[in-house]
Amino acid sequence: DQQVKQNSPSLSVQEGRISILNCDYTNSMFDYFLWYKKYPAEGPTFLISISSIKDKNEDGRFTVFLNKSAKHLSLHIVPSQPGDSAVYFCAAMGGGSNYKLTFGKGTLLTVNP
Amino acid sequence: DAGITQSPRYKITETGRQVTLMCHQTWSHSYMFWYRQDLGHGLRLIYYSAAADITDKGEVPDGYVVSRSKTENFPLTLESATRSQTSVYFCASSDEGWDEQYFGPGTRLTVT
Repeated sequence: DQQVKQNSPSLSVQEGRISILNCDYTNSMFDYFLWYKKYPAEGPTFLISISSIKDKNEDGRFTVFLNKSAKHLSLHIVPSQPGDSAVYFCAAMGGGSNYKLTFGKGTLLTVNP
Repeated sequence: DAGITQSPRYKITETGRQVTLMCHQTWSHSYMFWYRQDLGHGLRLIYYSAAADITDKGEVPDGYVVSRSKTENFPLTLESATRSQTSVYFCASSDEGWDEQYFGPGTRLTVT
């Protein structure tokens, strides 16, 4: 039972364009969402997060949007740079028995020069 | 070295052998975690610890043992390695709980 889904295993975009990575979740108890970025042969690093009381959070070129009614969040990267090429993991957590962080399978983003 | 380190970085072992993966963090973070990453599964939680001497199971704990006698160390032991435990293992730590975890560089374990 996969509670956090990243349905696109990979995404390829041109440098300078927008990258949009999508994530869906099924557990309505999730109230905090995070994105992690992972380069090959390295551990994941925290990128950006959003609480369910917000619908948008920005940090430089990275913006995360949350649509609670659709149980959907997306990460926008504008403009995309070749150094953004990595695997991006969506993760979610919530109250009660959902306090543990649940990760999606990841999306490999390739930004072409 | 400051931060979170894992050793060894690469390990090849045989089925049935006991293997211990080490994790060390210098931040004195309360929480520590072990994950495995497999193709098609993303990151799955094996065990976690909220403080020294406090550990609990995650999503896939079978075949693994952990201990945490000191805040900075969180070793993961495979008691009798199986081929299905071939994976990349990540240790992580966090000061405030489950969000914003800091990950180590990973250990690639191959069980033959």
